[in-house]
Amino acid sequence: DAEITQSPRHKITETGRQVTLACHQTWNHNNMFWYRQDLGHGLRLIHYSYGVQDTNKGEVSDGYSVSRSNTEDLPLTLESAASSQTSVYFCASSGRGGTEAFFGQGTRLTVV
Amino acid sequence: QKEVEQNSGPLSVPEGAIASLNCTYSDRVSQSFFWYRQYSGKSPELIMSIYSNGDKEDGRFTAQLNKASQYVSLLIRDSQPSDSATYLCAVNMNRDDKIIFGKGTRLHILP
Repeated sequence: DAEITQSPRHKITETGRQVTLACHQTWNHNNMFWYRQDLGHGLRLIHYSYGVQDTNKGEVSDGYSVSRSNTEDLPLTLESAASSQTSVYFCASSGRGGTEAFFGQGTRLTVV
Repeated sequence: QKEVEQNSGPLSVPEGAIASLNCTYSDRVSQSFFWYRQYSGKSPELIMSIYSNGDKEDGRFTAQLNKASQYVSLLIRDSQPSDSATYLCAVNMNRDDKIIFGKGTRLHILP
């Protein structure tokens, strides 16, 4: 069965460190998304990609970057982790043309 | 104006009753609308997609879409305790295939 997997599931890191969260999908979807979820804010879009070599900023992109070198993977990098980036991060993917998105299990990141 | 708005709740509904969840969106050209259910500590799970005006039924769930009023709703009939969760409304901004979520409504089914 097709799926979308995130790793690690939990991570604790120190302020100022670079952190990369992995996302891998086997749906063969063109679109991939990274969201963060915080109490009171819901799911907020960080970055998204429509295909290989395409990346776009979402509403809360400061301090984050992504790269898309193949269809399956969209890693999210925190350039210099800050305590404000403590959150639960979800990766999702969807096909083109307004179809629904499917989510990974999430990564709980704590920055100390 | 927020792009997708929902009442955060909590919405408390007796077991066996109908739960009604509402969502409004700001972008008139949006064409695709989704309801997700999220249990505490879990990832969002798609429960309904709707693309055309009117009602769409799937088991105990009915999604309703009114594009003129920019309004989407989800009805849950015969509510069960297992329906207690946060329900997220999502809109695909078809002009750029971006999916934006509301903040979610917490639903609590009272046994």
